[in-house]
Amino acid sequence: AQKVTQAQTEISVVEKEDVTLDCVYETRDTTYYLFWYKQPPSGELVFLIRRNSFDEQNEISGRYSWNFQKSTSSFNFTITASQVVDSAVYFCALSEAPAGNNRKLIWGLGTSLAVNP
Amino acid sequence: DGGITQSPKYLFRKEGQNVTLSCEQNLNHDAMYWYRQDPGQGLRLIYYSQIVNDFQKGDIAEGYSVSREKKESFPLTVTSAQKNPTAFYLCATMNDRYSDNTGELFFGEGSRLTVL
Repeated sequence: AQKVTQAQTEISVVEKEDVTLDCVYETRDTTYYLFWYKQPPSGELVFLIRRNSFDEQNEISGRYSWNFQKSTSSFNFTITASQVVDSAVYFCALSEAPAGNNRKLIWGLGTSLAVNP
Repeated sequence: DGGITQSPKYLFRKEGQNVTLSCEQNLNHDAMYWYRQDPGQGLRLIYYSQIVNDFQKGDIAEGYSVSREKKESFPLTVTSAQKNPTAFYLCATMNDRYSDNTGELFFGEGSRLTVL
């Protein structure tokens, strides 16, 4: 069965700490995409990154980095030197190869990150 | 501005009333989606539409209805049959026209419905 697990429901850190949000997925497909979205208190989900199943290179964007490991079916997200503005709910999602033209995302339950000053 | 507009942002409804949430997009995306979000339950798919005049039930369609008469618009009606409608509703679009469709979703700001 296709599934995305974000085992950490809530994380609380102090500003400037590094924090890693875990994401483990299950899929039968060999071609798939993984995503991270951020949902700040305002409510709108903001796209952070997309990674396809054939690209296991780690990605860094400023203070954000992502570690994709197919061997462990994980796509973890690390924030370095966290800031209060990073406080949000973060969702990991899986998109499998479409059946016909029908592509849907499978969502994790999200990790609520609180960065305290 | 290009994007997705949801309205109203906040809505209060009495029990037994239907209410319609608006979702309009000018991204020229074919696919549109409605999600419901409750605390601790992540995002759950209500309905989706991949083309005008066609839509499909998602995982929790009972008590909801949609229409897709125009490409730009995908309104969601929360009917009185929905037992627990108080939630945050998110509309999203996807550009699935091209062969390299990745499944990336673009979201509106959401509508928060409270049933009194």
